[in-house]
Amino acid sequence: AQKITQTQPGMFVQEKEAVTLDCTYDTSDPSYGLFWYKQPSSGEMIFLIYQGSYDQQNATEGRYSLNFQKARKSANLVISASQLGDSAMYFCAMREGTGGFKTIFGAGTRLFVKA
Amino acid sequence: EAQVTQNPRYLITVTGKKLTVTCSQNMNHEYMSWYRQDPGLGLRQIYYSMNVEVTDKGDVPEGYKVSRKEKRNFPLILESPSPNQTSLYFCASSLVSSSYNEQFFGPGTRLTVL
Repeated sequence: AQKITQTQPGMFVQEKEAVTLDCTYDTSDPSYGLFWYKQPSSGEMIFLIYQGSYDQQNATEGRYSLNFQKARKSANLVISASQLGDSAMYFCAMREGTGGFKTIFGAGTRLFVKA
Repeated sequence: EAQVTQNPRYLITVTGKKLTVTCSQNMNHEYMSWYRQDPGLGLRQIYYSMNVEVTDKGDVPEGYKVSRKEKRNFPLILESPSPNQTSLYFCASSLVSSSYNEQFFGPGTRLTVL
């Protein structure tokens, strides 16, 4: 069965430092997409980055990169040079490629960036 | 502007009073979905739709109904709301060319059932 696990309910990081948010997943579908979303205190869901199961390279998008380790079923988000505006809730999500694109989310990690 | 809209944004109601939360997107997306967000549980999928007249259950469909009569609209219906349906609800849409298509989210609807 599909499963997403985010084991860090909350994390602190110093401004300008890098931080890694953990995400592990479980699926039997060989085709899937992994996503990270940011939810600031205002509540909207902001797409950050995705990784496809067949992608050979780790995804990068500006200060965001996804450390994809397929054999370990992990898809950690790395934020480089943290900014105060990065303080938010971060969700890892997975969407399977067959059977209708059902999507599951992890419980989220709340990130606090300290000045 | 490409967007997903939801109405109402806030709703307080009483147990058993039928309600509908509307969702509309202007991006010609085939896929639409409803989620509920509860503290400590992340987002959980209620229903999703791959196209007009095609809907499927997500992980928490009990107590909810949906319909997809038009491509742009995907209303969420609570026939007899109960307090355990108090939550933050999100509608989302995407293309279906691959599972890698990002979902675009509406602003959310905060529902309180007394």
